[in-house]
Amino acid sequence: ETGVTQTPRHLVMGMTNKKSLKCEQHLGHNAMYWYKQSAKKPLELMFVYSLEERVENNSVPSRFSPECPNSSHLFLHLHTLQPEDSALYLCASSQARGTGNEQYFGPGTRLTVT
Amino acid sequence: DAKTTQPPSMDCAEGRAANLPCNHSTISGNEYVYWYRQIHSQGPQYIIHGLKNNETNEMASLIITEDRKSSTLILPHATLRDTAVYYCIVRLMTTDSWGKLQFGAGTQVVVTP
Repeated sequence: ETGVTQTPRHLVMGMTNKKSLKCEQHLGHNAMYWYKQSAKKPLELMFVYSLEERVENNSVPSRFSPECPNSSHLFLHLHTLQPEDSALYLCASSQARGTGNEQYFGPGTRLTVT
Repeated sequence: DAKTTQPPSMDCAEGRAANLPCNHSTISGNEYVYWYRQIHSQGPQYIIHGLKNNETNEMASLIITEDRKSSTLILPHATLRDTAVYYCIVRLMTTDSWGKLQFGAGTQVVVTP
């Protein structure tokens, strides 16, 4: 595997379910990100982990819970979601510091909440 | 971070150069200009970035005006696979930060045969 991978690619869940999204990066980076992209809206940054420490939490509801066990893996735990949470969830990684540390994105998980 | 202004859409003929403008009149001295693109329902893809000087890589060229208030992304020979939303982002970068990317609405580029 190369780059940034995300699983599953598609997920349908009910409002009472609990599920997790997984992201893995194979680029030797030490910062990882979760973004949300709803239909017809720009990407919204949700969480940032830099050197395995959460450094950004953009007023995201508590039904979304991130976890970063090491610099290569990032999870987004989901529970009691709402239909408006249906979106494309994108993971990205980069070097934590320095100029020119562009972010590399995964293909995303298309989430549908029924 | 400074905001950017891009046209909502552009058409381009296959094989021709595509010139994508971006205005960032409030950019500050330590903010870089970044370009990403997003092909439908895929993750954004990094294209190029620059601070003051023009930059070129295998994908595109970036021309930044001398006052840094605007820039142009040039795709030298557009192909159908270049159809995507292109995002111009001004990003504050320092040596000790991860540098937030703020995505706007971007420009929908459609390359036609």
